[in-house]
Amino acid sequence: QKEVEQNSGPLSVPEGAIASLNCTYSDRGSQSFFWYRQYSGKSPELIMSIYSNGDKEDGRFTAQLNKASQYVSLLIRDSQPSDSATYLCAVNSRAASGSARQLTFGSGTQLTVLP
Amino acid sequence: KAGVTQTPRYLIKTRGQQVTLSCSPISGHRSVSWYQQTPGQGLQFLFEYFSETQRNKGNFPGRFSGRQFSNSRSEMNVSTLELGDSALYLCASSSGTGGMGDYGYTFGSGTRLTVV
Repeated sequence: QKEVEQNSGPLSVPEGAIASLNCTYSDRGSQSFFWYRQYSGKSPELIMSIYSNGDKEDGRFTAQLNKASQYVSLLIRDSQPSDSATYLCAVNSRAASGSARQLTFGSGTQLTVLP
Repeated sequence: KAGVTQTPRYLIKTRGQQVTLSCSPISGHRSVSWYQQTPGQGLQFLFEYFSETQRNKGNFPGRFSGRQFSNSRSEMNVSTLELGDSALYLCASSSGTGGMGDYGYTFGSGTRLTVV
């Protein structure tokens, strides 16, 4: 089982719709969760961080965390063509028992917003 | 405020050679980590440095090494290059002190390494 799994996509939504991106993780001890956006040919850019169960909203973005279910999601409301990118879920986790924590990334979900 | 600076942006090397990549973190950030990104494997953690000490290391062979200087600048070195080392190498810095995952970090633009 991969430590961080994302719905593989690709995901296409029409402009103005809600895009929903999902992520599950395996390390129950994880405390910090992040969503990064990566445009083609660019480096990842942090867009959301969440540390507590529940929802966290920032503009059109809402991150949701459920530690009991080991589940993180990102909702993008009123999707725009400029939101077209790969979205990476990242979780601070231990690669192995007793090892130091590291930020582990999912494989990413490619989102296309159609005009 | 300057971001994370990586040099060079592009490199072409021959199998068997070695390469050194450089990373200057955001001013005041003491934590620096390195990632390898390939289409097939995604972002893979290489190592993390904090105050000149390697705090964590990913599952890469010993050909991959790094170090951090007193000014927090970091270098990574890959010896005896293989074709499979062709990738985008990303450096990220963080202001967190409790481990790289505790705070989001900022990535540099990366170094695109091609091994021929």
